[in-house]
Amino acid sequence: DIQLTQSPSSLSASVGDRVTIACRASQSIASYSNWFQQKPGKAPKLLIYAASSLQSGVPSRFSGSGSGTDFTLTISSLQPEDFATYYCQQSYSSPPTFGQGTKLEIK
Amino acid sequence: QLQLQESGPGLVKPSETLSLTCTVSGGSISSSGYFWAWIRQPPGKGLEWIGGISKSGDTYYNPSLKSRLTMSVDTSQNQFSLTLSSVTATDTAVYYCARWDTSSSQWFDPWGQGTLVSVSS
Repeated sequence: DIQLTQSPSSLSASVGDRVTIACRASQSIASYSNWFQQKPGKAPKLLIYAASSLQSGVPSRFSGSGSGTDFTLTISSLQPEDFATYYCQQSYSSPPTFGQGTKLEIK
Repeated sequence: QLQLQESGPGLVKPSETLSLTCTVSGGSISSSGYFWAWIRQPPGKGLEWIGGISKSGDTYYNPSLKSRLTMSVDTSQNQFSLTLSSVTATDTAVYYCARWDTSSSQWFDPWGQGTLVSVSS
């Protein structure tokens, strides 16, 4: 299985900050990465697919980039509703796998 | 707006079989371009893909669970189901169903709200 390692595992930031979360794959996954946001007690929500495509309805302050083994999710200006846990996921090979998550907390 | 809803027992005894159903509303489970997936999340932990099924019943299982897993689909009821046999405490998790895109991106969206299944005597 392809392993995804996210960094950092947790992050404290303030409203208005620019935040970047990294995801590294154990082998090349081309551009087959997706990003999800999960709030406590809720299901994950798709933010970014195919490394950099913004899912419909997701605010434009979210962006994704990368290819090969290294990917990033960037939030350009944190809003109060963005404090959550973020997961990357690879769809290059079966089984689909997820990173361990990055918990974004209010500073 | 497509919605998914998981249903099933919240408590299962060790060695018994876990059975869940996902009901799709606001759209057809027979829509082209999509499969239907199950994903689980142990309390306080990360996400694990369990498997998926097509509208015609083709199944795709996580090898780590394959020997205990069965999925089925009922297009007339707009439902798909999961059974996991010989459960142990490690199968305790929130179980989510989700629509699974069949393009190269293979994203999961939307998801059901999830249902907590505890394995305990």
